[in-house]
Amino acid sequence: AQSVAQPEDQVNVAEGNPLTVKCTYSVSGNPYLFWYVQYPNRGLQFLLKYITGDNLVKGSYGFEAEFNKSQTSFHLKKPSALVSDSALYFCAVRTSYGGATNKLIFGTGTLLAVQP
Amino acid sequence: DSGVTQTPKHLITATGQRVTLRCSPRSGDLSVYWYQQSLDQGLQFLIQYYNGEERAKGNILERFSAQQFPDLHSELNLSSLELGDSALYFCASSVQDLGVSWSEKLFFGSGTQLSVL
Repeated sequence: AQSVAQPEDQVNVAEGNPLTVKCTYSVSGNPYLFWYVQYPNRGLQFLLKYITGDNLVKGSYGFEAEFNKSQTSFHLKKPSALVSDSALYFCAVRTSYGGATNKLIFGTGTLLAVQP
Repeated sequence: DSGVTQTPKHLITATGQRVTLRCSPRSGDLSVYWYQQSLDQGLQFLIQYYNGEERAKGNILERFSAQQFPDLHSELNLSSLELGDSALYFCASSVQDLGVSWSEKLFFGSGTQLSVL
């Protein structure tokens, strides 16, 4: 069964420091991976996606993610955290095989808290 | 603003009741997805419609149903409500059907917070 795991419920980082939010996946076939962010009282917003190609994907708001096939990971990173990055981050995965599997499977979310 | 509109923003009701959540997708988007977000289960996919037709079903209870109308807005009907149905219900939309366009980006509404007392 396809699944995605976010092992950390919360990540704390000081403003200006680099941040990493972890995500690992389990799928049959090639994974299509996504990161979404949820700000308080808002819906989820798309950050970035990995489909194929370069393992380092750049997205919105200075975020990037590194796809690692051998470790089945897709960690979200940012070189320098901002207080405004504080939010709930969701990793999501879809598989590429055919059929009517149009589901986007989300992880449980990681709360990022950036301290000033 | 994602362009996806969900109403109402908050809904408080009693067990055994029935409610309807409404979603208007972004202009031009043909696919609508419903998700349930709760503390226990995280973000769970419920159901998807594309241009009025049901395309995919997730962990949706039999007490729940949905439809997409000709003007592409969608409604999620929740009946015989239980305390455990209390959650944040999100609607999302995309231009294409995820089954066709594998990398389709979803745009989420702000959600409807349902409280069952």
